[in-house]
Amino acid sequence: DVKVTQSSRYLVKRTGEKVFLECVQDMDHENMFWYRQDPGLGLRLIYFSYDVKMKEKGDIPEGYSVSREKKERFSLILESASTNQTSMYLCASSPTGQGYSYEQYFGPGTRLTVT
Amino acid sequence: AQSVTQPDIHITVSEGASLELRCNYSYGATPYLFWYVQSPGQGLQLLLKYFSGDTLVQGIKGFEAEFKRSQSSFNLRKPSVHWSDAAEYFCAVGGNDYKLSFGAGTTVTVRA
Repeated sequence: DVKVTQSSRYLVKRTGEKVFLECVQDMDHENMFWYRQDPGLGLRLIYFSYDVKMKEKGDIPEGYSVSREKKERFSLILESASTNQTSMYLCASSPTGQGYSYEQYFGPGTRLTVT
Repeated sequence: AQSVTQPDIHITVSEGASLELRCNYSYGATPYLFWYVQSPGQGLQLLLKYFSGDTLVQGIKGFEAEFKRSQSSFNLRKPSVHWSDAAEYFCAVGGNDYKLSFGAGTTVTVRA
């Protein structure tokens, strides 16, 4: 079974803090993704990575950065947290291969509250 | 770019009744299509997928979906709903750039 783990289930941070969300997958997947999920908006892609040290912006990258130093780990960084970044953050991974690169496996999510 | 529409925000169904969730996609070529389920406070779990071939696909938990190219649809069905099927369901489409586009989701409530 693919396992994607996220470092925290719940996190409370103050405005202006630097926040790190960590994601680890154990299936040797090449692709990793960070989404945020808000009611009524579905999942929106923040960043994704298709290889170590490679990253690409998704649909809403503003205010976020990412790091992928090792294949199994993909970190999301909020440089200076703001209240509008209060959300559920979901990490996912997928293998390569035609079609299969879209078959994403998700972690349990981190519910971040910025006060 | 691809996109997905789930027309129903919320559906209530009686336990034991059938369920159908609608999904319409927009994509120029044959898409890769997925249905995911999310229980409260959890991540997303893959229910089923369509890549090619037989347009009726079977998934986990007794779900199935049918790809209809002429209608640009990929509706999810279950013949008899259980209380544990109460959750949020997301349809997603993949094109040619590693990325999935998700619908806004349909929340299913199951009444006894």
